[in-house]
Amino acid sequence: EPEVTQTPSHQVTQMGQEVILRCVPISNHLYFYWYRQILGQKVEFLVSFYNNEISEKSEIFDDQFSVERPDGSNFTLKIRSTKLEDSAMYFCASSVVVNEKLFFGSGTQLSVL
Amino acid sequence: GESVGLHLPTLSVQEGDNSIINCAYSNSASDYFIWYKQESGKGPQFIIDIRSNMDKRQGQRVTVLLNKTVKHLSLQIAATQPGDSAVYFCAEILTNSGGYQKVTFGTGTKLQVIP
Repeated sequence: EPEVTQTPSHQVTQMGQEVILRCVPISNHLYFYWYRQILGQKVEFLVSFYNNEISEKSEIFDDQFSVERPDGSNFTLKIRSTKLEDSAMYFCASSVVVNEKLFFGSGTQLSVL
Repeated sequence: GESVGLHLPTLSVQEGDNSIINCAYSNSASDYFIWYKQESGKGPQFIIDIRSNMDKRQGQRVTVLLNKTVKHLSLQIAATQPGDSAVYFCAEILTNSGGYQKVTFGTGTKLQVIP
């Protein structure tokens, strides 16, 4: 079965550093997403991406965040200057139809020290 | 130190019994609903979905019921198996007149299957 893959599985960084989280969505999917889940809390929407541009974003997705699809297969989330409160599990997801039947990756656990 | 976070409700079910997991959603205008399963250390996995013009939908061993009157969604799992142990949460999707969709995830219920 096709799957969304994310790398790295764990990322430790110092506060103020930039991080890039990487994802390879399912190849025939058109919509891509980033979600995050702080330990013990709900899954929260960050951003959705379609046709090489952001289609929707949440209040969490401020100027410190950016997304990019640098080639035909990768989808990245960049945090420019990490804060302690950015520590969370970050999930990438993709779908054929917007917000329907999302396939999630296994996540990247980001720890900001 | 004190930890901050949600304390998930837990449902313990004997293997082979049926499980019913409930979700109260927030917006009466939400038009699409999804149940996800999240196993420890993994991303959410789609289980079943339902649109607001339906009140019941069945899948393989799972049934979703939608009660719009009381804004309630339930997931029924038949003949629960140890592999069903996970956190289950619902998501509601609200589409406004401009086509903007807001996705809100529920807090989740932890299902523990007792062998």
